[in-house]
Amino acid sequence: SQTIHQWPATLVQPVGSPLSLECTVEGTSNPNLYWYRQAAGRGLQLLFYSVGIGQISSEVPQNLSASRPQDRQFILSSKKLLLSDSGFYLCAWSAAPTGSGANVLTFGAGSRLTVL
Amino acid sequence: AQSVAQPEDQVNVAEGNPLTVKCTYSVSGNPYLFWYVQYPNRGLQFLLKYITGDNLVKGSYGFEAEFNKSQTSFHLKKPSALVSDSALYFCAVRPFMDSNYQLIWGAGTKLIIKP
Repeated sequence: SQTIHQWPATLVQPVGSPLSLECTVEGTSNPNLYWYRQAAGRGLQLLFYSVGIGQISSEVPQNLSASRPQDRQFILSSKKLLLSDSGFYLCAWSAAPTGSGANVLTFGAGSRLTVL
Repeated sequence: AQSVAQPEDQVNVAEGNPLTVKCTYSVSGNPYLFWYVQYPNRGLQFLLKYITGDNLVKGSYGFEAEFNKSQTSFHLKKPSALVSDSALYFCAVRPFMDSNYQLIWGAGTKLIIKP
C-alpha cells in the first residue's frame, strides 16, 4: 500500500534562517506531488506541484522553493525565513492523471513551522 | 473566476442529530467534487467524491453527499452525528477540463458535535 511521510513534524526557526521540509512517498511510482500551506488552521494554499523529477510549478510567488530530486521525494526550502512563513505545511500526492481528473489526494501528517 | 464556497464558518450539532455541511461552487463545465476532513494537527483525509452518475455519493465514516447540478451544490450529510465527527471539513472542486488537474478548495467548515 502507498504511504506518505513528512518531516519534521514541528519546527521553530528564527527569522532569516534556512528551511528544509521533506516528503517521501512509498508504494507508487511517478506520483504527482504537492506542497500546500495552511494558515491559521483554515484555508489551503497550493504552493508547488510537480508531475515529474525536476519539474516544479509554482502557484504563488514567495521566498520558498521546491525541488524533486527523486521520483518520490519532494523538498520545500527557503534560504531566509520570514515571519509570514509560519504555518502548517502539508505534502500530498496523487496518481498521475490518465484521462480522469478524479484522482484523490493523499496528505502527509503535516509540518508545523513557527518563525520567531 | 472559478470558486468554491463553504458559507458556514462553523456548524454546531448535537450528538445523534443529522448534520449538513454546505458547499456550493462556480466552475465551468461538469466538475469533479470532493470532500476531505482534517482532524486537529493532522493532514487531510479523503471522505468521498462525485464523478458522474447517482447524485447521492456515500463515503467514509457514514458520510454522504448530494450533488445538485441546478443549484451547483455538493452538501455533505450524515444522518446521526458522533462527537468524533468534530473536525474541519473541506469541499474541493476540480474543473473537468483543467489540464493541470488542480483542485479549487473551499475555506473549510469547522464541525462541532456536542454530547
